[in-house]
Amino acid sequence: GAVVSQHPSWVICKSGTSVKIECRSLDFQATTMFWYRQFPKQSLMLMATSNEGSKATYEQGVEKDKFLINHASLTLSTLTVTSAHPEDSSFYICSARAPSGGMNTEAFFGQGTRLTVV
Amino acid sequence: AQSVTQLDSHVSVSEGTPVLLRCNYSSSYSPSLFWYVQHPNKGLQLLLKYTSAATLVKGINGFEAEFKKSETSFHLTKPSAHMSDAAEYFCVVSGSMKTSYDKVIFGPGTSLSVIP
Repeated sequence: GAVVSQHPSWVICKSGTSVKIECRSLDFQATTMFWYRQFPKQSLMLMATSNEGSKATYEQGVEKDKFLINHASLTLSTLTVTSAHPEDSSFYICSARAPSGGMNTEAFFGQGTRLTVV
Repeated sequence: AQSVTQLDSHVSVSEGTPVLLRCNYSSSYSPSLFWYVQHPNKGLQLLLKYTSAATLVKGINGFEAEFKKSETSFHLTKPSAHMSDAAEYFCVVSGSMKTSYDKVIFGPGTSLSVIP
């Protein structure tokens, strides 16, 4: 199957700094990428939908100025957590969908990034 | 809007007995449905998917699921549980927005425990 690479797999940062997480589709072009957040023992909550060449669509309650998403190419989307605080500590997962099949195309997931803000 | 409900937050079975994890969905259009498994501190692994072909879908590790449109259900089953099946299971729906940017929505998850 297709491979989605997420980097870094874990990161520790100081409160007030910014952290960038990369999501790459290695062997296919992804017009749409999704960013999720997962708290311990909870499900994945969709944060935003990232569309190549246009602005991301954020879910209700997600601060777009805090979670900056850039989808500059068909193989790369980035999530930047700005001015991180301890409450931003979480597991962030991206997924990418190939453009071929439209609605029924499977989304492939990265391995996630464990962010800890101290 | 689309949504997914997993009726059981936790299921416990004995090794060698059948597994049933329930999933119901809400969708305006014909959805695609998936089951993913997540082991502790690991990423997601696709178990199986339904994309409007056969309603009975077979996946990896002996799992299968049946799409029942009349019941809006996509329950996951396995005839005989193995210790390695202990994990978190997510039912996922997508494709119901009928736009280029349809969302992939996760259910709340079901934690499966397998008792020796």
